[in-house]
Amino acid sequence: NAGVTQTPKFRVLKTGQSMTLLCAQDMNHEYMYWYRQDPGMGLRLIHYSVGEGTTAKGEVPDGYNVSRLKKQNFLLGLESAAPSQTSVYFCASSLVGLAGAGELFFGEGSRLTVL
Amino acid sequence: GDSVTQMEGPVTLSEEAFLTINCTYTATGYPSLFWYVQYPGEGLQLLLKATKADDKGSNKGFEATYRKETTSFHLEKGSVQVSDSAVYFCALSRASKAAGNKLTFGGGTRVLVKP
Repeated sequence: NAGVTQTPKFRVLKTGQSMTLLCAQDMNHEYMYWYRQDPGMGLRLIHYSVGEGTTAKGEVPDGYNVSRLKKQNFLLGLESAAPSQTSVYFCASSLVGLAGAGELFFGEGSRLTVL
Repeated sequence: GDSVTQMEGPVTLSEEAFLTINCTYTATGYPSLFWYVQYPGEGLQLLLKATKADDKGSNKGFEATYRKETTSFHLEKGSVQVSDSAVYFCALSRASKAAGNKLTFGGGTRVLVKP
């Protein structure tokens, strides 16, 4: 049972480099999310998608871009990485509307370090 | 906007001790409330939820009651085990078709149970 899979799990970047985190889910969920987790701050929503071809900004979108070309995939891009983007990134997915209200299924996380 | 505040950790307990983690929220209307748990090296997973005032969520010996009058959703367990060592997150959600099932998280409370 794969669920939500994130790649890569670890990555070290230099300031100014770019990279893409890939999230794939096999549960046919309509909604997908990218969060970042920082010590003492819980998880903060970066971007989310309510369906294939749609994306929207969350609480902390600056410096990130996303794409949802296929229903099962949600990509998070960093065009020019900064040390402030050092964090653990979590992808999640959920069902539509009240049926899935609040129950998000999370990947195992991707630890990104920007030097 | 919505916010969730939970007690800072770490909380260190002995096995079979009573655990309480306080959580309060600020939100208009009637959000749903959740507790998520993150075991070491893993993503978050739903522990329990409550969708309306006075509802009690329970799972794996943990309980929390949605108290609208005090805007609280405290997590309790009567007798903890070493396997309960984890980080616990309180969260709220307003499910809508347009905005997905976005969660607003508290900062997390690390719990360490010693044998």
